[in-house]
Amino acid sequence: QQQVKQSPQSLIVQKGGIPIINCAYENTAFDYFPWYQQFPGKGPALLIAIRPDVSEKKEGRFTISFNKSAKQFSLHIMDSQPGDSATYFCAAGRGGNKLTFGTGTQLKVEL
Amino acid sequence: GAVVSQHPSRVICKSGTSVKIECRSLDFQATTMFWYRQFPKQSLMLMATSNEGSKATYEQGVEKDKFLINHASLTLSTLTVTSAHPEDSSFYICSAIPLQRGRSNTGELFFGEGSRLTVL
Repeated sequence: QQQVKQSPQSLIVQKGGIPIINCAYENTAFDYFPWYQQFPGKGPALLIAIRPDVSEKKEGRFTISFNKSAKQFSLHIMDSQPGDSATYFCAAGRGGNKLTFGTGTQLKVEL
Repeated sequence: GAVVSQHPSRVICKSGTSVKIECRSLDFQATTMFWYRQFPKQSLMLMATSNEGSKATYEQGVEKDKFLINHASLTLSTLTVTSAHPEDSSFYICSAIPLQRGRSNTGELFFGEGSRLTVL
């Protein structure tokens, strides 16, 4: 019940494309769903997060879509750039407790 | 934004020695910090939850005598890898949740830059 399944494992898009990364969770007690961006050799950086009382949240070029009934959420990156090439992790947690991370998606944005 | 600093960023040690990694929250206080371990191209694996002023809570399969955690203040947690062996070589990352005065933790988790440990 603590798993967070993430797909795809890797993704290649052209500059300007809209990569979409999907996550699914099992524990209905989760109430906090963040996305993290990680560059090689660096720690993860919080990108955007959503709570289950809204179905969508947008910050700049990043959008989270949340489907509570399906227990799924996804990250969309608008107008993707080569600088967005990184590994993206979704996560799920409850209140101030520890997060359960997805397995990660390696994104490459080509020119 | 909240800043979490880790030190050292890279450390190389001989097998059998102990290594201490520090995790500091620079502009906020945190009663709870977390220590993760990450292997190349893999996800973050939670090792333990560090609580200020009390014993750490270790995840199943993590040796508490091997990975000593101390959270002596609201801004500092340390991880000591004791009697390190080559299989302990990994990327260790800490994270912290900012404490909001008068409110429960927001749940937002901020990560340090990680510490690359190589045991020869």
